[in-house]
Formats: sequence, structure tokens, C-alpha cells
Amino acid sequence: NAGVTQTPKFQVLKTGQSMTLQCAQDMNHEYMSWYRQDPGMGLRLIHYSVGAGITDQGEVPNGYNVSRSTTEDFPLRLLSAAPSQTSVYFCASSYSRVGTEAFFGQGTRLTVV
Amino acid sequence: DAKTTQPTSMDCAEGRAANLPCNHSTISGNEYVYWYRQIHSQGPQYIIHGLKNNETNEMASLIITEDRKSSTLILPHATLRDTAVYYCIVRATNFGNEKLTFGTGTRLTIIP
Repeated sequence: NAGVTQTPKFQVLKTGQSMTLQCAQDMNHEYMSWYRQDPGMGLRLIHYSVGAGITDQGEVPNGYNVSRSTTEDFPLRLLSAAPSQTSVYFCASSYSRVGTEAFFGQGTRLTVV
Repeated sequence: DAKTTQPTSMDCAEGRAANLPCNHSTISGNEYVYWYRQIHSQGPQYIIHGLKNNETNEMASLIITEDRKSSTLILPHATLRDTAVYYCIVRATNFGNEKLTFGTGTRLTIIP
């Protein structure tokens, strides 16, 4: 049981490049979410999904796209990377039942130069 | 979700109980209090949650005041591995954990 798996762990991009951050969970969780964390700050929600085929925007969605074609996977796409997107990205998943916990991946550290 | 207020940082001696406060004075009757921690930039880890009653698990205890306007997370015998940033989060009972609002948390340092 791997939990929430994020790949890659580290990535350096040039401004304007695009890439996809991968997130997979093997717990059959309905809910999945993407957060970013900038130095000295708490996590901020980018996008989330309450089930396959259903996604919605969080607090800071600009510059990012998501899709949820399967229950297990929730990739985050950077369309045209900017230095302001340099951050640590965390994926999380949880059951839809109230009072349950969220499980987080170990993060992807992204640097845009 | 109700706003939470936590101290920026705290120290605790190894082996002593660490008591981390959280103020949530605008909490509604249908909102849970959750605690997560983040060790050295790893992904956040769930600790405990509660609604009205005090809760205890293998990691910690959660004490919620009778008026529910504040709570305290207690790590009974703190170890060096408990050094982390601790986040107090309020979430309505009719919602899951797909949208958590993290503040800046409390940076807890365990002193040898």
C-alpha cells in the first residue's frame, strides 16, 4: 500500500516550458487535491476533485490545469511555467466521508528559472 | 470554515508535554477541529480531530473548551522527532477534506 505517490520529486524548468506533475493514490479515495507551499507559508489550494470527471478551482488556480479521468490519478499541468510558480507542490487524497483524514504525498520541489 | 489563530512558535523540553493552543472563536456548531503537522517540508501528516468531546489517540490528545472557541493539542511526552510545524484547521462536518485551509501554523521545537 503506497498511499499517495508524487513524481517527480525535483524538477527544474525554464520559463515558458510546460510539464505535468503526477499524483497517484491506491486507497480508492474519492477526493484528491493539489496544494502549493511557498517558503515560510502554509499550503494553498490550487485545484481539487471530488471524483472522476469532476474538478474545481481552489485559491490559486491560475497557470495550472487538472483533469481526473480515473479515481487513482490526478495530474497537475503547468501550461507555461513562470518563476512565480517556483514552489513545493503537494498532492492529497481522502475519502468523501466527513471526519476522515487527508493523506499527503511527499511533495515535488519545482524551480522555474 | 472558521478562521484559526495559533502562536508562531513554541519550544518544549524533550520528555515534557507539549501544549499547542489554537483559537477558533468564530467556530460553528457543525465544524470539526483538525490538527496536522509538517515535519521538515515533508507532506503534512494527520494527527487528530474532534467536534465537541476531548479526543485521544496514539499520537496526541485534543482538548476542546466547552464553548468550542479554543482547543489545545497535547503531545504527552515530546521527542525530538516531534519538531515540526503544527496546523490547526476548522472544517464543517458536511464537508470532506478536499479543501483544507492551512494558516502558517505553530513551529514547535523540541529542546534536548
